[in-house]
Amino acid sequence: DAKTTQPPSMDCAEGRAANLPCNHSTISGNEYVYWYRQIHSQGPQYIIHGLKNNETNEMASLIITEDRKSSTLILPHATLRDTAVYYCIAAIGGFKTIFGAGTRLFVKA
Amino acid sequence: DTGVSQDPRHKITKRGQNVTFRCDPISEHNRLYWYRQTLGQGPEFLTYFQNEAQLEKSRLLSDRFSAERPKGSFSTLEIQRTEQGDSAMYLCASSRLWTGERNTEAFFGQGTRLTVV
Repeated sequence: DAKTTQPPSMDCAEGRAANLPCNHSTISGNEYVYWYRQIHSQGPQYIIHGLKNNETNEMASLIITEDRKSSTLILPHATLRDTAVYYCIAAIGGFKTIFGAGTRLFVKA
Repeated sequence: DTGVSQDPRHKITKRGQNVTFRCDPISEHNRLYWYRQTLGQGPEFLTYFQNEAQLEKSRLLSDRFSAERPKGSFSTLEIQRTEQGDSAMYLCASSRLWTGERNTEAFFGQGTRLTVV
């Protein structure tokens, strides 16, 4: 699985969009990009995943660059409950991966 | 669908004791994964099962660790002769068989937090 790189922390104002970047420059053509988040002391929660096209669900949007070397998770209207650690991983054939330290998002009132 | 269930949620044990954790995956999920997570780090893959077969083990899984999934349903993770370095959150996740389609996300349990004293 390709290695991913994320900033260690980010701030966002409540009600604004939170844009979390992820670099996966060594991603292979058939690896999917997955995003999870983890709120303190809980298990990771699935958010969204995609291969090439941009994806949107009730939680977030995922924008993948055309060369697939990076992606951005967008939380359109961040709330205090979105404060969490966000993990970006690249995976194919399963989830046999190390998640890395992720991005700690602080949503401020 | 009640999600992935792990038991116990917390375990405190003395160094040298054996401990066993249980994971009940989402029913109809063929794959089951175990991870370890230490403070400030993301989950690290330990091992996974496809049905009852253990298909891969990480080098992080020392010979004191053993995992089983006897009937392709629930799984257990046993740590023998625990050490203080084993203190961590142990997470279980399950997913459908990978087909490259949209429904192959993994769902995690709430984890078992192990403290070795």
